[in-house]
Amino acid sequence: AQSVSQHNHHVILSEAASLELGCNYSYGGTVNLFWYVQYPGQHLQLLLKYFSGDPLVKGIKGFEAEFIKSKFSFNLRKPSVQWSDTAEYFCAVRPGNTGKLIFGQGTTLQVKP
Amino acid sequence: DTAVSQTPKYLVTQMGNDKSIKCEQNLGHDTMYWYKQDSKKFLKIMFSYNNKELIINETVPNRFSPKSPDKAHLNLHINSLELGDSAVYFCASSPQGAGRNGYTFGSGTRLTVV
Repeated sequence: AQSVSQHNHHVILSEAASLELGCNYSYGGTVNLFWYVQYPGQHLQLLLKYFSGDPLVKGIKGFEAEFIKSKFSFNLRKPSVQWSDTAEYFCAVRPGNTGKLIFGQGTTLQVKP
Repeated sequence: DTAVSQTPKYLVTQMGNDKSIKCEQNLGHDTMYWYKQDSKKFLKIMFSYNNKELIINETVPNRFSPKSPDKAHLNLHINSLELGDSAVYFCASSPQGAGRNGYTFGSGTRLTVV
């Protein structure tokens, strides 16, 4: 079955620290990849996406992610986090031409001022 | 101007009741979805409609029935509510097939069954 796995369930960082959140998926065909962010009490918002081309994609608020096809991974990075980055982060995969987004279980990021 | 709007935002009800959650999108998208986010924040798709036609129906109890009167609306009706139905329900929409931008989500409906 298709699945998405996020390795870090809860991450605590100090401001200015670097961030990397892991995401792996299980699907052998073409995929589209997404990272969503959910700030406390709010809905999910798209951070960045990968469809094709350059495997290093840049999103909003200084986030970037790298698609490594051989590792079935799409890790999220940010060089220097801010307190306002405190939120839930969800990796999602759209297998093939399906309309279905499959989400990982989310990572809670807590940034201490 | 809210793109995907859900009502109500909060819903507290007793076991056994029947309730509905409404969702409307003004983005002109063809496809709409219902997702359930449980207490551990896990998001699981429940249903998807494309232009009023049901295209995704995951393993969901029959007590849950989606209804799409037109492609801008997707409502969720739940019969005989149970404690385990307590969750946040998110509506989302996308151009057909999730498009190049994934989904646009509503702000969620927090359902608490007591």
